Amino acid sequence: DGGITQSPKYLFRKEGQNVTLSCEQNLNHDAMYWYRQDPGQGLRLIYYSQIVNDFQKGDIAEGYSVSREKKESFPLTVTSAQKNPTAFYLCASTEGFVKNTEAFFGQGTRLTVV
Amino acid sequence: GEDVEQSLFLSVREGDSSVINCTYTDSSSTYLYWYKQEPGAGLQLLTYIFSNMDMKQDQRLTVLLNKKDKHLSLRIADTQTGDSAIYFCAEGGGDYKLSFGAGTTVTVRA
Repeated sequence: DGGITQSPKYLFRKEGQNVTLSCEQNLNHDAMYWYRQDPGQGLRLIYYSQIVNDFQKGDIAEGYSVSREKKESFPLTVTSAQKNPTAFYLCASTEGFVKNTEAFFGQGTRLTVV
Repeated sequence: GEDVEQSLFLSVREGDSSVINCTYTDSSSTYLYWYKQEPGAGLQLLTYIFSNMDMKQDQRLTVLLNKKDKHLSLRIADTQTGDSAIYFCAEGGGDYKLSFGAGTTVTVRA
């Protein structure tokens, strides 16, 4: 079955550590996105990528980094520079980079700082 | 910039209709979407409406769009316990991005 897979489902990070969240899709989608979800707030865009080897900052990119070395993979690194990283992170993909395309979401990764 | 607002909570009795409202500010929005999120899961597209439409019906779901007032609503007929979830309104504006509301938590009571 085609879909988008995020791992791990739960992740715990110590203060000062970098952690990487995985996102893989087998939908052959060109565009991929990372969103952050906090209680009572909408999804906020962290980074997006339209094509392999290219990515752009979203609205809240500070303290995060990404790579897009393969079409199917778009990992997100939460660095120690991110002051409030505890949140639910959602990865999404779309077939193309057009606004009328359905976005497919992964099941999310819940990151907690301990 | 884009701004999407929706009420945070809705409680409805099983079998009644649910109506979730949303307002948006970007007049260049081409498509407007409703997504559903069940606990601990990602978002799933429920339905969408093109900006030149007033209404779209899909089984138990009815979407109404008032483009003049930038108001979007989702009506769920005969609400069931499986409809308990968070519902997000989103708009696809003048660029690539989807802008999401904060989500409305719908609780269905017996």
